[in-house]
Amino acid sequence: QVTLKESGPVLVKPTETLTLTCTVSGFSLSNTRMAVSWIRQPPGKALEWLAHIYSNDGKFYSTSLKSRLTISGDTSKSQVVLTMTNMDPVDTATYYCARMVRGVRSYYFDYWGQGILVTVSS
Amino acid sequence: DIQMTQSPSSLSASVGDRVIITCRASQSVSSYLNWYQQKPGKAPKLLIYAASSLQSGVPSRFSGSGSGTDFTLTISTLQPEDFATYYCQQSYSTLMYTFGQGTKLEIK
Repeated sequence: QVTLKESGPVLVKPTETLTLTCTVSGFSLSNTRMAVSWIRQPPGKALEWLAHIYSNDGKFYSTSLKSRLTISGDTSKSQVVLTMTNMDPVDTATYYCARMVRGVRSYYFDYWGQGILVTVSS
Repeated sequence: DIQMTQSPSSLSASVGDRVIITCRASQSVSSYLNWYQQKPGKAPKLLIYAASSLQSGVPSRFSGSGSGTDFTLTISTLQPEDFATYYCQQSYSTLMYTFGQGTKLEIK
């Protein structure tokens, strides 16, 4: 049974750094056909892909947020960590981690965590 | 970045209706197009991947078609549990995956 679960602070202050952890089970982070992604959704708005990491440590970031994001993985702990610097109230959103499958004709997110609502406010 | 545009943004329909949602990419994404369903307060759920492949466990009333820049999601016979928001997503550009703005399907 594949599961992903996000953890981290629910409230951060402007200019602070956000650190979120995704703990996975039911699959291995060393699986070369899969990656773990972070995706966020501001209240009432659309989904926005942020970053993902592959088993070979390949990392990809949103072009608009690249300067603020760092993603890392710990295979032994089955965890993927996302840090986002210089948080602003516009970064208030539900942050999801999701498993990405590298299929033959598409890459897709087949399992998602429940999400964690992060509010940025002083 | 590849922009994804869905239409309509919202849609009212009745149980039993046939519903079509379209998604257009700003440049070709080949078959690298996926569809998700999201209900309030829940994480998105994968419905269709690679434009037309039905994810395991998803009812067969959902189908997808298209390639290149134009795609459709069809719900053949709308059920009460299908009222939700639907998103398309391209994974052709590995530099930047993008989602559509969403289509909210409401009960008429």
